[in-house]
Amino acid sequence: KQEVTQIPAALSVPEGENLVLNCSFTDSAIYNLQWFRQDPGKGLTSLLLIQSSQREQTSGRLNASLDKSSGRSTLYIAASQPGDSATYLCAVRGVNQGGKLIFGQGTELSVKP
Amino acid sequence: GEEVAQTPKHLVRGEGQKAKLYCAPIKGHSYVFWYQQVLKNEFKFLISFQNENVFDETGMPKERFSAKCLPNSPCSLEIQATKLEDSAVYFCASSQSGGDEQFFGPGTRLTVL
Repeated sequence: KQEVTQIPAALSVPEGENLVLNCSFTDSAIYNLQWFRQDPGKGLTSLLLIQSSQREQTSGRLNASLDKSSGRSTLYIAASQPGDSATYLCAVRGVNQGGKLIFGQGTELSVKP
Repeated sequence: GEEVAQTPKHLVRGEGQKAKLYCAPIKGHSYVFWYQQVLKNEFKFLISFQNENVFDETGMPKERFSAKCLPNSPCSLEIQATKLEDSAVYFCASSQSGGDEQFFGPGTRLTVL
């Protein structure tokens, strides 16, 4: 059974810092991995999708990497801003699991001005 | 539309009452997924559709939960005889194909009293 873990559960950093959020999964048989952002009381905003054949994806100040064999992904946020404060979730789509996503517990990020 | 739409935003029901939630996927997307967020960051997959056909229902508590996606109508998730533990935010997501990026709606917060 696929399990997804995110570390740390919470992170507080001063504005301007570069930071890394970690995601690990137990079954390396995945089609893709998706990073989301969730603001309090809101829905999920898709940030990046990495296919299993890819090593990384970039969007603006965000860079996500994938090491499928070791079951790990990282989300790198450069030059963090207070507006980046949110909960970040990673989710994997497993092979032969239909299209459903298995979510981690999330990392709650707070960027202090 | 360009976004996944969910109605209502909030729903309050007494224990034992019926609840019905609606989702309009992004135009042109063939797949619809329903997820339940019970605790702060705990997402549980419920059911998915490929057009009007059930694709994967492995997460559905079949006794009281049912769902439909009919042509030219919003998809729906219905809970008969709600229980306190059904209190959660229910998210709908859609994708072009089963393996593509999933886009989430804003969610429906169900409170069972």
